[in-house]
Amino acid sequence: EAQVTQNPRYLITVTGKKLTVTCSQNMNHEYMSWYRQDPGLGLRQIYYSMNVEVTDKGDVPEGYKVSRKEKRNFPLILESPSPNQTSLYFCASSWDPSSYNEQFFGPGTRLTVL
Amino acid sequence: AQSVTQLDSHVSVSEGTPVLLRCNYSSSYSPSLFWYVQHPNKGLQLLLKYTSAATLVKGINGFEAEFKKSETSFHLTKPSAHMSDAAEYFCVPNNQGGKLIFGQGTELSVKP
Repeated sequence: EAQVTQNPRYLITVTGKKLTVTCSQNMNHEYMSWYRQDPGLGLRQIYYSMNVEVTDKGDVPEGYKVSRKEKRNFPLILESPSPNQTSLYFCASSWDPSSYNEQFFGPGTRLTVL
Repeated sequence: AQSVTQLDSHVSVSEGTPVLLRCNYSSSYSPSLFWYVQHPNKGLQLLLKYTSAATLVKGINGFEAEFKKSETSFHLTKPSAHMSDAAEYFCVPNNQGGKLIFGQGTELSVKP
């Protein structure tokens, strides 16, 4: 089944404790992206990747890191999480970033930073 | 960059009645537009997409949308609402570079 998977689905952590949210897709997509969703703010892009070893900042990259060592994986790293990073996170992928290709979304990771 | 306005933050309908979720876009050229749906505690799922091939686009679960250039609109409709349609709906332009710009969305409630 074609899908985007994220782990963990739920995470409660404390300020400053490094964490990684994994994202994996099995559709051989070139493009991958991370979004966060907050009440009243909609979804905002954090980082994206056009292909392996190519990443770039989205609208809200502060406090986050990403890497793209393999085509299928695009982990999101919070080196020192803070409470303002409490949010619902979505990973997405698509064949390429042209305007005609829809993005496929993972199920989301709900992160709480205390 | 393209942008959209979803004219209603919340829409409430009765089961079996028509659904209309309004979306207007702002662009100097025909954009690529998607409608996504997000059910409670779930990820986003593509309902349908407009890519200039046809102005009337049919999607999943009986939804459809019509691209009207003269009105710069891409409203989402369904003839008969079902309880399972209760969700958040997003009209999203896809700018070159893969950036999806999400607005506030429209929350659809369906009353029995």
